[in-house]
Amino acid sequence: DAKTTQPPSMDCAEGRAANLPCNHSTISGNEYVYWYRQIHSQGPQYIIHGLKNNETNEMASLIITEDRKSSTLILPHATLRDTAVYYCIVRDEKLTFGTGTRLTIIP
Amino acid sequence: GAVVSQHPSRVICKSGTSVKIECRSLDFQATTMFWYRQFPKKSLMLMATSNEGSKATYEQGVEKDKFLINHASLTLSTLTVTSAHPEDSSFYICSAPLAESYEQYFGPGTRLTVT
Repeated sequence: DAKTTQPPSMDCAEGRAANLPCNHSTISGNEYVYWYRQIHSQGPQYIIHGLKNNETNEMASLIITEDRKSSTLILPHATLRDTAVYYCIVRDEKLTFGTGTRLTIIP
Repeated sequence: GAVVSQHPSRVICKSGTSVKIECRSLDFQATTMFWYRQFPKKSLMLMATSNEGSKATYEQGVEKDKFLINHASLTLSTLTVTSAHPEDSSFYICSAPLAESYEQYFGPGTRLTVT
């Protein structure tokens, strides 16, 4: 699996959009970009995934650059319950977790 | 979405004993399940891939004789920590992929404390 690089931590004000970046410069053509999050002492929760097109679902939007070397997860209106560690993963079969970004939503 | 359960959610055992952790896919079948371990303030580390009807595949550095995996049915995988020691204390999480999608569903985790 390609490696990913994420900032270790970020803060975001409640109600604002949270933009979480991820670099995956060694991604190969058939590898998807996945985002998961883990709230303290729980199992990870799937958020969204994409290959080359931007994606949106009820939880978030995923913006992938044209060269696919980076992506951004957008939580459009962050709430306190969005405080978690967010993992960006590039995979073809197995999920390999990096260190993620600890996102803290501030009231 | 699909649901994966784990049992027990917490277990405390004495050093030298064995502990079994169950992972069940509740509303879908999973020919493959994954077992992870997570130490405090660390990321999830993949331990092994559990394959229904065949032997598990272990990641490098994971002792297969210590962490026994049995995938007896399409909805159940078990991880047995044999002769547990305090350094085995960790958060153990399983996951299962939904066959017709790329999504992988995680269990709530099992916190093991070895005294």
